[in-house]
Amino acid sequence: QVQLRESGPGLVKPSQTLSLTCTLSGGSINNGDYYWSWIRQPPGKGLEWIGYIYYSGSTYDNPSLKSRVTISVDTSKNQFSLKLSSVTAADTAVYYCAGRSSGWYFDYWGQGILVSVSS
Amino acid sequence: EILMTQSPATLSVSPGERATLSCRASQSIGGNLAWYQQKPGQTLRLLFYGASTRATGIPARFSGSGSGTEFTLTISSLQSEDLAVYYCQQYNNWPLTFGGGTKVEIK
Repeated sequence: QVQLRESGPGLVKPSQTLSLTCTLSGGSINNGDYYWSWIRQPPGKGLEWIGYIYYSGSTYDNPSLKSRVTISVDTSKNQFSLKLSSVTAADTAVYYCAGRSSGWYFDYWGQGILVSVSS
Repeated sequence: EILMTQSPATLSVSPGERATLSCRASQSIGGNLAWYQQKPGQTLRLLFYGASTRATGIPARFSGSGSGTEFTLTISSLQSEDLAVYYCQQYNNWPLTFGGGTKVEIK
């Protein structure tokens, strides 16, 4: 059974870079059937898809985030990562990693990690 | 970007009664809609994809319907364990977008 777990700092200062890692267990990130995504949920608000990565390293991210997003993959560690630059308070959210195996909906979700942006 | 609007924001239903949740897309998305359930303190769980195809392990009291711009999630006989927030998501166009959610309360 595929399981995902997010990790990283829970507090980031404004203007700095948010960095999170998602570790996959029960499966291989090299599995060509899967694409891996980051999704976030600001407190009291809806869900926002951030971007995806394929095991080959190809990515696509949400234009609304204005090129602040970098998603990378480390197949040797069965992990993929998110970097979000120039953060502001508006980037405070629960960040989820998720995986899809067929259509562009998400079969697998991590538990989520709350990241607050504050000085 | 396709805007997904869910209604109502909160739905209070007695156990055993029917719950009907709506999701509207700002433009046609065909049948490319998914529904998710998020119980308190838990992560999201896929309920439906293709608007009406039940994901693995989802009870038969849940059903999904609709196409184009109007979609419905129905819980035919609400159980206490169905207390959750339900989200729709379109995957017809980039970027992928989600609705704001409907919170289902037990009356």
